[in-house]
Amino acid sequence: DAKTTQPPSMDCAEGRAANLPCNHSTISGNEYVYWYRQIHSQGPQYIIHGLKNNETNEMASLIITEDRKSSTLILPHATLRDTAVYYCIVRVGWGNTPLVFGKGTRLSVIA
Amino acid sequence: SAVISQKPSRDICQRGTSLTIQCQVDSQVTMMFWYRQQPGQSLTLIATANQGSEATYESGFVIDKFPISRPNLTFSTLTVSNMSPEDSSIYLCSVTPGGTNYGYTFGSGTRLTVV
Repeated sequence: DAKTTQPPSMDCAEGRAANLPCNHSTISGNEYVYWYRQIHSQGPQYIIHGLKNNETNEMASLIITEDRKSSTLILPHATLRDTAVYYCIVRVGWGNTPLVFGKGTRLSVIA
Repeated sequence: SAVISQKPSRDICQRGTSLTIQCQVDSQVTMMFWYRQQPGQSLTLIATANQGSEATYESGFVIDKFPISRPNLTFSTLTVSNMSPEDSSIYLCSVTPGGTNYGYTFGSGTRLTVV
């Protein structure tokens, strides 16, 4: 699985968009970008994933650069409940292998 | 997506004792994974449990310390043996999405404190 680099922490004002970056410069052609988040004391929660096209669901949008070496997770209107650690994971498809977590970004949404 | 019931949610244990953590899944799954999350840290994989075979442990984790059972396709246990304060962590189980697009599912975690 390709290595990812994320800032250790970020702040965002409530109601504003939260843009969380992730660098994955060694990503290979068949690897997807996945985002999970872990709200304090809970198990990680799947957010979104993508291969090369931008993706949007009810939780977030995922923007992947054309060269696929970086991506941005966008929470369009952050709320206090979005305060969590966000993990960017690069791997080949779903498969039967475990997720490998980096250190993630701790997002604090401030009122 | 699968739903996991993990028990207990938390426990305080005496050093030298053992605790068994249970994960029950509402559907049959091939692989189950166990993680440890030490205070303020990310998740670290302990082992992979495949029904009908011995669990596969990651470097730094051994079967004598973290024995795992996987008696069927919906259930697994992780035992933390001969506990010391260094074992104080959150322990989580996880299952694969099984071909869906809902992502891996995680249990709610067991917060273990060893005193």
